[in-house]
Amino acid sequence: DVKVTQSSRYLVKRTGEKVFLECVQDMDHENMFWYRQDPGLGLRLIYFSYDVKMKEKGDIPEGYSVSREKKERFSLILESASTNQTSMYLCASSPSLNTGELFFGEGSRLTVL
Amino acid sequence: AQSVAQPEDQVNVAEGNPLTVKCTYSVSGNPYLFWYVQYPNRGLQFLLKYITGDNLVKGSYGFEAEFNKSQTSFHLKKPSALVSDSALYFCAVRDYRGSTLGRLYFGRGTQLTVWP
Repeated sequence: DVKVTQSSRYLVKRTGEKVFLECVQDMDHENMFWYRQDPGLGLRLIYFSYDVKMKEKGDIPEGYSVSREKKERFSLILESASTNQTSMYLCASSPSLNTGELFFGEGSRLTVL
Repeated sequence: AQSVAQPEDQVNVAEGNPLTVKCTYSVSGNPYLFWYVQYPNRGLQFLLKYITGDNLVKGSYGFEAEFNKSQTSFHLKKPSALVSDSALYFCAVRDYRGSTLGRLYFGRGTQLTVWP
């Protein structure tokens, strides 16, 4: 089975801290995605990547950056965390843009105080 | 623009009764449509997808969905609900545009509660 692993299930950070959320997939997928999930808003795409060192902005990239140095790893970075970034963050990967099916990690719930 | 609407925030149904979770979509071109389920404090799990072919798609855990092009709908259904089906359900549509080819747009989710 495909496994997408997010390094931290729960994090608590302070305003202004730099936050790293790590995601690793073990099935050699080309495409990786970061979403945030908020009640009543569903899933919103932050960034995605089609290949190593490639990245594209999603719908809400402000305040975030990403890094994809290796195919299996896609990191989300909050340069200076703010309280409005308190959310559930979901990483996903997919093998092919033609199928569209995404495989999700378990999520990282971030609280910024 | 691609978009998905889930008109009901919550659906409540008694165990053993049929359930329907509604989804309508808007795309340019032929849609690829998906349903995902999320259990509490977990990531999303793929249930089923429609790409082409038979309008009735069967998926995991006894769920099925009916694609209706004229009504631009893709409703999720199950003939007999279980308490364990209680979860948050998301409909999604695939994007065909340019460099964002292949990304999914998600609805806001519908909370399904099945009571004993």
